[in-house]
Amino acid sequence: EVQLVESGGGLVQPGGSLRLSCAASGFSFSSYWMTWARQVPGKGLELVANIKGDGSEKQYVDSVKGRFTISRDNAKNSLYLQMNSLRDEDTAVYYCSNGEQGDYWGQGTLVTVSS
Amino acid sequence: VVMTQSPLSLPVSLGQPASISCRSSQSLVYRDGSSNLNWFQQRPGQSPRRLIYKVSNRDSGVPDRFSGSGSGTDFTLRISRVEADDVGVYYCMQGTHWPYTFGPGTKLEIK
Repeated sequence: EVQLVESGGGLVQPGGSLRLSCAASGFSFSSYWMTWARQVPGKGLELVANIKGDGSEKQYVDSVKGRFTISRDNAKNSLYLQMNSLRDEDTAVYYCSNGEQGDYWGQGTLVTVSS
Repeated sequence: VVMTQSPLSLPVSLGQPASISCRSSQSLVYRDGSSNLNWFQQRPGQSPRRLIYKVSNRDSGVPDRFSGSGSGTDFTLRISRVEADDVGVYYCMQGTHWPYTFGPGTKLEIK
């Protein structure tokens, strides 16, 4: 059974940093693209970044380029999202999912950017 | 790529069919000839769950009441007989052109 468990969310001030983690199990982690997506509560979905199985390719949505960094540790079956220079508009529930096309999703972790 | 959906609100009686339309601003045909158009269901208080990938392929465990069709820029999700468990928001997502993008969502409710 595929399991994706996000952690690391919380309250942070504008301009601050946060690192999200996603622990994966139930599939061959290193063979899969992995994705971070976000959803403002009550609003729609947005893909933020994804990373190839071996970490050799990464893609970001324009609104987070230069501020967010996606990475993975295949030895630990873990995905990360380092978020710097956070803005109010980054407030959202952040989900990790496996596959380029969002095969399975975790339960999400809430990030609140507010002073 | 901008994804649009209609209707945005869909009241349906139990046991009746439902249909959601999704349109993309560009063709979603990938270089291998396939189209990366996915459908997701998000029940109240839950994470998104993918139902359909590559236009018409049902994910494991998805009831055969759900079906997807379409090509190019026009796609449709059909539910043959709506059940109470189907209440939620349905999103289409294109996975051909980065950044992959979602439609605004269609809220299905029981009439």
